Amino acid sequence: EDQVTQSPEALRLQEGESSSLNCSYTVSGLRGLFWYRQDPGKGPEFLFTLYSAGEEKEKERLKATLTKKESFLHITAPKPEDSATYLCAVQGGSGNTGKLIFGQGTTLQVKP
Amino acid sequence: ETGVTQTPRHLVMGMTNKKSLKCEQHLGHNAMYWYKQSAKKPLELMFVYNFKEQTENNSVPSRFSPECPNSSHLFLHLHTLQPEDSALYLCASSQELGDSYGYTFGSGTRLTVV
Repeated sequence: EDQVTQSPEALRLQEGESSSLNCSYTVSGLRGLFWYRQDPGKGPEFLFTLYSAGEEKEKERLKATLTKKESFLHITAPKPEDSATYLCAVQGGSGNTGKLIFGQGTTLQVKP
Repeated sequence: ETGVTQTPRHLVMGMTNKKSLKCEQHLGHNAMYWYKQSAKKPLELMFVYNFKEQTENNSVPSRFSPECPNSSHLFLHLHTLQPEDSALYLCASSQELGDSYGYTFGSGTRLTVV
């Protein structure tokens, strides 16, 4: 069964204090691993898609990496506006069903 | 607005009521999705539509009835719900089914069943 586990559940950082969020996954035939950001009262906002182990993508202070078992979202010198819940999701299987399996998310709070 | 509009934003309904959630996108996307987000739980896929045709029903109880009259509109009809159905219901769309460029989500409908 495809599964995604994110850790930690919550993370508090001081502004400028870099850290990483973890997403561990098991999936039969990875078609893509996705990172989303969700602000309170809003729907998730797409950040990245990673396809294969060794791949990396960057956007501003965020950098996502992928191995065969997990993905990391590195946050460098975070700012208060980076506070949000970060969701990881995988799409797998031999057929394209459009189904994304999500983790429970990591809620990040960055204090000034 | 993200391009996917959901109405209403908040809904309180009794267990014997019938209500509908509406989702609209004018992004030219061909696939649309309903997700349920409960407190402390991961987003859970409910239904998938591709070119108006339902392609996935993730074992959703029949008290939830989706409708997709065209590629731009998606509805979720609700009847005789239970308190445990209280959650944030999110609609999403993508250019193609399972698009690797990611899904565009609406802001959701916060449903409370009393």
